[in-house]
Amino acid sequence: DVKVTQSSRYLVKRTGEKVFLECVQDMDHENMFWYRQDPGLGLRLIYFSYDVKMKEKGDIPEGYSVSREKKERFSLILESASTNQTSMYLCASSSGAHTEAFFGQGTRLTVV
Amino acid sequence: AQSVAQPEDQVNVAEGNPLTVKCTYSVSGNPYLFWYVQYPNRGLQFLLKYITGDNLVKGSYGFEAEFNKSQTSFHLKKPSALVSDSALYFCAVRGPTSGTYKYIFGTGTRLKVLA
Repeated sequence: DVKVTQSSRYLVKRTGEKVFLECVQDMDHENMFWYRQDPGLGLRLIYFSYDVKMKEKGDIPEGYSVSREKKERFSLILESASTNQTSMYLCASSSGAHTEAFFGQGTRLTVV
Repeated sequence: AQSVAQPEDQVNVAEGNPLTVKCTYSVSGNPYLFWYVQYPNRGLQFLLKYITGDNLVKGSYGFEAEFNKSQTSFHLKKPSALVSDSALYFCAVRGPTSGTYKYIFGTGTRLKVLA
């Protein structure tokens, strides 16, 4: 089975901290994604990557950056955490265009 | 631009009755359509997809979905609902955008199956 693993289930960080969310997939997928999920807004795409060292902005990239140094790992970075970044963060990976995405279990981040 | 609409925030259905969760989409070119389910404090689980071919697609846990090109819809259905089907359901579309591919999700529909 495909496995997408996010490093933390729950995180509490202080305003202004630099926060790293890590995601690892074990199926050699080219594409990886970071979404945030908020009630009533569904899933919104923050960044995605279709190859190592390649990245593209999604719909809400402000305040975030990403890193993909190895194919299996895609990191989301909150440069200076703010309370409006309190959310559920979901990582996903997929292979070709016709395939479904596989999701991690999510990281619930609270910024205080 | 690609978009997905799930017009109902919540759907209530009695156990044993058929259920429908609605989804409409907007995309240029051929759509790739997906349904996912999310249980509390969990990631999304894939249910089924439409890529091409038969308009009726069967998926996990007895769910199916019907692709209707003229109505740009991809409604999720199940003939007989179970209490354990209660969850949050997301429709998604994937299509080419600027040469790359990303999934666009709807806002989700909460399904409550009443015993």
